[in-house]
Amino acid sequence: DAKTTQPPSMDCAEGRAANLPCNHSTISGNEYVYWYRQIHSQGPQYIIHGLKNNETNEMASLIITEDRKSSTLILPHATLRDTAVYYCIVSGGSSNTGKLIFGQGTTLQVKP
Amino acid sequence: GAVVSQHPSRVICKSGTSVKIECRSLDFQATTMFWYRQFPKKSLMLMATSNEGSKATYEQGVEKDKFLINHASLTLSTLTVTSAHPEDSSFYICSARPGQETQYFGPGTRLLVL
Repeated sequence: DAKTTQPPSMDCAEGRAANLPCNHSTISGNEYVYWYRQIHSQGPQYIIHGLKNNETNEMASLIITEDRKSSTLILPHATLRDTAVYYCIVSGGSSNTGKLIFGQGTTLQVKP
Repeated sequence: GAVVSQHPSRVICKSGTSVKIECRSLDFQATTMFWYRQFPKKSLMLMATSNEGSKATYEQGVEKDKFLINHASLTLSTLTVTSAHPEDSSFYICSARPGQETQYFGPGTRLLVL
């Protein structure tokens, strides 16, 4: 079973920031938080990942709470092409098999 | 960088035949690759972990004799669906990771068994 909880769907206006929340209350100390997205009929696309500190790259920012029990993915200026299913996944840790267990994700609809 | 390809992108076959799907890491070596299956409007389900030079590790409930995995080189893993039936129709996706780092996914292969 997935170790994360995400809202099933969200809407966002084009040009505005999209903030996607994720709860991972059972995360262990050395597990990472990964975010992927899947646009219809394509393979998932890597967005960003983090352990403890906030992270930013050209696609998004990842804010992880101090207790690491939740995180937020921020798309600073959403476009129509950001419409996709966004998956928050906890992985790694001491076993580090590399497995990614996908939950149901959040379907983000960016509207004009 | 970190590009993963799959071939074919889509395939239609008759019931009872076998289908081979290739997954390649184009610009990195991958000792570990993963195979997923996705049914319409469902999430990805991990089928197996493919390890270069050794046997694949299958997830619970996945038939290893039906879904044959071969990882003969550091850039290629293959999934063969043997004696395919209509219920095997699905979207098959592979991923690969350079070392212990982030996984990168292929574009997927859509299989339709008639």
